Amino acid sequence: GESVGLHLPTLSVQEGDNSIINCAYSNSASDYFIWYKQESGKGPQFIIDIRSNMDKRQGQRVTVLLNKTVKHLSLQIAATQPGDSAVYFCAENERAQKLVFGQGTRLTINP
Amino acid sequence: SAVISQKPSRDICQRGTSLTIQCQVDSQVTMMFWYRQQPGQSLTLIATANQGSEATYESGFVIDKFPISRPNLTFSTLTVSNMSPEDSSIYLCSVDTGGYNYGYTFGSGTRLTVV
Repeated sequence: GESVGLHLPTLSVQEGDNSIINCAYSNSASDYFIWYKQESGKGPQFIIDIRSNMDKRQGQRVTVLLNKTVKHLSLQIAATQPGDSAVYFCAENERAQKLVFGQGTRLTINP
Repeated sequence: SAVISQKPSRDICQRGTSLTIQCQVDSQVTMMFWYRQQPGQSLTLIATANQGSEATYESGFVIDKFPISRPNLTFSTLTVSNMSPEDSSIYLCSVDTGGYNYGYTFGSGTRLTVV
């Protein structure tokens, strides 16, 4: 069945460094991808999205890269701050139907 | 983007009882989604709720255990029935905000503990 997975369950980076969170997806028909941030006790918060007709999209301090050839998605966070500490999920979507979530990566920012 | 109010935010329940979780959206939406997030895990879709029709359940979830109501385009409820400790999870509702740059919006979740 459909699944979206992540390579690393945890990631620690120094404050101010850049971080890269990776995600592999298996449904080649997925046409929309979203990155979410989840802080303790809260629901997932939208970070950035990308459609399958693009390979890169930038937001404020974040960049999402999509490689459809190898079905890989990544989230780059520039100049990480303590407030970036959270669990990050990727999610995929086919034709505006249900979202399928990856396993999540816990990002820890060290001072 | 839409704003979702979900309640209760948390509850501790006795096994064998049922809990109904409410989800209110500040705008009309076609589809509402209910997810479960077990401790330390990712989100798993329970069902999709459309107004005026039966909810569509994902594999492993059944209506008798998780009955859903969708009486109008801004409201839905999820009931967790005959609870056991294995039902201890965070339950979240979500809506398709319907636009690029917004994704799907989530409520803050209901943290359920069954004792």
